[in-house]
Amino acid sequence: DADVTQTPRNRITKTGKRIMLECSQTKGHDRMYWYRQDPGLGLRLIYYSFDVKDINKGEISDGYSVSRQAQAKFSLSLESAIPNQTALYFCATSDPGAGLMTDTQYFGPGTRLTVL
Amino acid sequence: DQQVKQNSPSLSVQEGRISILNCDYTNSMFDYFLWYKKYPAEGPTFLISISSIKDKNEDGRFTVFLNKSAKHLSLHIVPSQPGDSAVYFCAADYNQGGKLIFGQGTELSVKP
Repeated sequence: DADVTQTPRNRITKTGKRIMLECSQTKGHDRMYWYRQDPGLGLRLIYYSFDVKDINKGEISDGYSVSRQAQAKFSLSLESAIPNQTALYFCATSDPGAGLMTDTQYFGPGTRLTVL
Repeated sequence: DQQVKQNSPSLSVQEGRISILNCDYTNSMFDYFLWYKKYPAEGPTFLISISSIKDKNEDGRFTVFLNKSAKHLSLHIVPSQPGDSAVYFCAADYNQGGKLIFGQGTELSVKP
Protein backbone atom coordinates (compact mmCIF):
# COMPACT_ATOMS: atom_id res chain seq x y z
CA ASP A 1 0.00 0.00 0.00
CA ALA A 2 1.13 3.53 -0.81
CA ASP A 3 2.44 5.58 2.10
CA VAL A 4 0.77 8.80 0.90
CA THR A 5 -2.62 8.53 -0.77
CA GLN A 6 -4.76 11.20 -2.39
CA THR A 7 -8.44 11.12 -3.28
CA PRO A 8 -9.85 11.67 -5.77
CA ARG A 9 -7.19 11.09 -8.42
CA ASN A 10 -9.14 13.01 -11.03
CA ARG A 11 -11.94 15.52 -10.64
CA ILE A 12 -13.86 17.74 -13.01
CA THR A 13 -15.98 20.45 -11.48
CA LYS A 14 -17.71 23.68 -12.42
CA THR A 15 -16.91 27.26 -11.57
CA GLY A 16 -18.27 28.25 -8.17
CA LYS A 17 -18.47 24.75 -6.75
CA ARG A 18 -16.86 23.83 -3.45
CA ILE A 19 -14.46 20.93 -3.68
CA MET A 20 -12.31 19.04 -1.21
CA LEU A 21 -9.15 17.08 -1.94
CA GLU A 22 -8.06 14.59 0.67
CA CYS A 23 -4.67 13.28 1.68
CA SER A 24 -3.84 10.43 4.03
CA GLN A 25 -0.47 9.07 5.10
CA THR A 26 0.76 6.02 6.93
CA LYS A 27 4.34 7.24 7.35
CA GLY A 28 3.70 8.66 10.80
CA HIS A 29 5.08 12.05 9.78
CA ASP A 30 4.06 15.21 11.58
CA ARG A 31 4.60 17.58 8.66
CA MET A 32 2.20 17.68 5.72
CA TYR A 33 2.01 19.94 2.67
CA TRP A 34 -0.17 20.82 -0.28
CA TYR A 35 1.36 21.89 -3.61
CA ARG A 36 0.02 22.64 -7.02
CA GLN A 37 1.87 22.03 -10.26
CA ASP A 38 1.29 24.10 -13.35
CA PRO A 39 3.11 23.72 -16.68
CA GLY A 40 6.24 25.85 -16.74
CA LEU A 41 5.93 26.83 -13.08
CA GLY A 42 7.03 23.76 -11.19
CA LEU A 43 5.48 23.01 -7.80
CA ARG A 44 4.24 25.82 -5.60
CA LEU A 45 3.36 25.53 -1.93
CA ILE A 46 -0.26 26.25 -1.00
CA TYR A 47 -0.44 25.36 2.71
CA TYR A 48 1.61 23.39 5.18
CA SER A 49 1.11 21.95 8.65
CA PHE A 50 3.85 20.96 11.09
CA ASP A 51 1.47 19.27 13.50
CA VAL A 52 -2.27 18.90 14.07
CA LYS A 53 -2.61 22.33 15.68
CA ASP A 54 -0.31 24.13 13.27
CA ILE A 55 -1.50 25.48 9.89
CA ASN A 56 0.51 27.90 7.76
CA LYS A 57 -0.03 29.65 4.47
CA GLY A 58 2.34 28.95 1.66
CA GLU A 59 3.21 30.92 -1.43
CA ILE A 60 -0.23 30.77 -3.10
CA SER A 61 -2.91 30.26 -0.44
CA ASP A 62 -5.57 32.65 -1.79
CA GLY A 63 -8.73 30.79 -2.75
CA TYR A 64 -7.79 27.71 -0.71
CA SER A 65 -8.30 26.48 2.84
CA VAL A 66 -7.07 23.40 4.67
CA SER A 67 -8.01 21.18 7.57
CA ARG A 68 -5.69 18.91 9.55
CA GLN A 69 -8.12 16.40 10.96
CA ALA A 70 -5.46 14.13 12.45
CA GLN A 71 -1.75 13.49 12.17
CA ALA A 72 -2.46 11.27 9.18
CA LYS A 73 -5.02 13.44 7.34
CA PHE A 74 -4.73 16.81 5.65
CA SER A 75 -7.49 18.13 3.39
CA LEU A 76 -7.43 20.96 0.89
CA SER A 77 -10.61 22.84 0.01
CA LEU A 78 -11.45 25.19 -2.80
CA GLU A 79 -14.35 27.22 -1.45
CA SER A 80 -15.50 28.49 -4.82
CA ALA A 81 -13.54 26.91 -7.65
CA ILE A 82 -12.41 29.03 -10.59
CA PRO A 83 -10.87 27.91 -13.91
CA ASN A 84 -7.34 29.11 -13.06
CA GLN A 85 -7.30 26.59 -10.22
CA THR A 86 -7.15 23.87 -12.85
CA ALA A 87 -3.89 22.11 -12.01
CA LEU A 88 -2.23 19.01 -10.65
CA TYR A 89 -2.33 18.96 -6.84
CA PHE A 90 0.14 17.07 -4.68
CA CYS A 91 0.17 16.27 -1.01
CA ALA A 92 3.49 15.58 0.71
CA THR A 93 4.76 14.57 4.12
CA SER A 94 8.08 14.86 5.91
CA ASP A 95 9.83 14.12 9.18
CA PRO A 96 12.67 16.47 10.09
CA GLY A 97 13.52 14.28 13.07
CA ALA A 98 14.48 11.39 10.85
CA GLY A 99 18.16 12.16 11.24
CA LEU A 100 18.49 13.69 7.82
CA MET A 101 19.99 17.09 7.31
CA THR A 102 16.99 18.35 5.50
CA ASP A 103 13.31 17.94 5.34
CA THR A 104 13.00 15.34 2.59
CA GLN A 105 9.42 15.27 1.44
CA TYR A 106 7.45 12.26 0.23
CA PHE A 107 4.72 12.94 -2.28
CA GLY A 108 1.38 11.37 -3.04
CA PRO A 109 0.38 10.44 -6.60
CA GLY A 110 -1.47 13.69 -7.24
CA THR A 111 -5.01 14.83 -8.03
CA ARG A 112 -5.75 16.23 -11.47
CA LEU A 113 -8.39 18.93 -11.01
CA THR A 114 -10.22 20.59 -13.89
CA VAL A 115 -12.49 23.56 -13.25
CA LEU A 116 -14.81 24.33 -16.15
CA ASP B 1 10.01 36.23 -8.64
CA GLN B 2 11.45 32.80 -9.30
CA GLN B 3 14.08 32.03 -6.65
CA VAL B 4 14.97 28.66 -8.18
CA LYS B 5 15.24 28.40 -11.94
CA GLN B 6 15.72 25.56 -14.36
CA ASN B 7 16.21 27.29 -17.66
CA SER B 8 16.11 24.20 -19.87
CA PRO B 9 12.58 22.84 -20.22
CA SER B 10 13.84 19.71 -21.95
CA LEU B 11 16.96 17.68 -22.62
CA SER B 12 17.53 14.75 -24.93
CA VAL B 13 20.46 12.37 -24.43
CA GLN B 14 21.60 9.11 -25.96
CA GLU B 15 21.60 6.02 -23.77
CA GLY B 16 24.98 5.49 -22.11
CA ARG B 17 26.00 9.13 -22.33
CA ILE B 18 26.04 11.71 -19.56
CA SER B 19 22.96 13.79 -18.72
CA ILE B 20 23.58 17.16 -17.09
CA LEU B 21 20.65 19.04 -15.64
CA ASN B 22 21.18 22.56 -14.38
CA CYS B 23 19.58 24.72 -11.73
CA ASP B 24 20.23 28.30 -10.61
CA TYR B 25 19.07 30.04 -7.46
CA THR B 26 19.03 33.60 -6.21
CA ASN B 27 18.55 33.34 -2.42
CA SER B 28 21.86 32.95 -0.57
CA MET B 29 19.96 31.81 2.54
CA PHE B 30 19.26 28.42 0.99
CA ASP B 31 21.32 25.81 2.82
CA TYR B 32 20.06 22.58 1.31
CA PHE B 33 19.25 21.53 -2.20
CA LEU B 34 17.35 18.53 -3.47
CA TRP B 35 16.57 16.85 -6.76
CA TYR B 36 13.28 15.10 -7.36
CA LYS B 37 12.30 12.90 -10.27
CA LYS B 38 8.75 12.68 -11.56
CA TYR B 39 7.22 10.12 -13.89
CA PRO B 40 3.84 10.79 -15.57
CA ALA B 41 0.81 10.10 -13.35
CA GLU B 42 3.03 9.78 -10.27
CA GLY B 43 4.17 12.13 -7.55
CA PRO B 44 7.75 13.41 -7.40
CA THR B 45 10.21 11.09 -5.70
CA PHE B 46 13.35 12.18 -3.88
CA LEU B 47 16.54 11.46 -5.78
CA ILE B 48 19.55 13.10 -4.16
CA SER B 49 20.42 16.13 -2.05
CA ILE B 50 23.34 18.28 -1.03
CA SER B 51 24.10 20.54 1.88
CA SER B 52 25.52 23.99 1.24
CA ILE B 53 28.64 23.02 3.19
CA LYS B 54 29.54 20.53 0.47
CA ASP B 55 30.28 20.93 -3.20
CA LYS B 56 29.58 17.39 -4.35
CA ASN B 57 27.41 14.46 -3.37
CA GLU B 58 27.36 11.15 -5.17
CA ASP B 59 24.91 8.26 -5.11
CA GLY B 60 25.50 5.57 -7.67
CA ARG B 61 24.97 6.97 -11.15
CA PHE B 62 23.78 10.32 -9.76
CA THR B 63 26.06 13.16 -8.68
CA VAL B 64 25.03 16.63 -7.63
CA PHE B 65 27.51 19.51 -7.79
CA LEU B 66 27.05 22.79 -5.97
CA ASN B 67 28.80 26.03 -6.88
CA LYS B 68 27.82 28.49 -4.16
CA SER B 69 29.66 31.44 -5.59
CA ALA B 70 27.74 31.07 -8.84
CA LYS B 71 24.52 30.03 -7.06
CA HIS B 72 24.36 27.07 -9.39
CA LEU B 73 23.85 23.35 -9.00
CA SER B 74 23.83 20.54 -11.47
CA LEU B 75 22.76 16.91 -11.54
CA HIS B 76 24.91 14.48 -13.51
CA ILE B 77 23.58 11.08 -14.52
CA VAL B 78 26.21 8.68 -15.81
CA PRO B 79 25.51 6.51 -17.70
CA SER B 80 22.05 7.59 -18.71
CA GLN B 81 19.43 4.89 -19.13
CA PRO B 82 16.01 4.97 -20.85
CA GLY B 83 14.37 4.49 -17.44
CA ASP B 84 15.83 7.84 -16.41
CA SER B 85 13.42 9.57 -18.79
CA ALA B 86 11.31 11.76 -16.51
CA VAL B 87 10.87 15.34 -15.35
CA TYR B 88 13.54 16.46 -12.89
CA PHE B 89 12.89 19.21 -10.38
CA CYS B 90 15.50 20.93 -8.26
CA ALA B 91 14.36 22.38 -4.95
CA ALA B 92 15.89 24.49 -2.21
CA ASP B 93 15.31 24.78 1.52
CA TYR B 94 16.77 26.73 4.42
CA ASN B 95 17.03 25.92 8.09
CA GLN B 96 14.96 22.74 7.65
CA GLY B 97 12.02 25.03 7.21
CA GLY B 98 10.23 22.53 5.02
CA LYS B 99 9.07 25.23 2.63
CA LEU B 100 10.72 23.83 -0.44
CA ILE B 101 11.08 26.19 -3.37
CA PHE B 102 10.99 24.27 -6.65
CA GLY B 103 12.33 25.04 -10.08
CA GLN B 104 10.15 24.69 -13.16
CA GLY B 105 11.45 21.25 -14.05
CA THR B 106 13.47 19.79 -16.92
CA GLU B 107 12.08 16.92 -18.96
CA LEU B 108 14.85 14.42 -19.69
CA SER B 109 14.49 12.00 -22.57
CA VAL B 110 17.06 9.22 -22.85
CA LYS B 111 16.95 7.59 -26.25
CA PRO B 112 18.03 3.96 -26.79
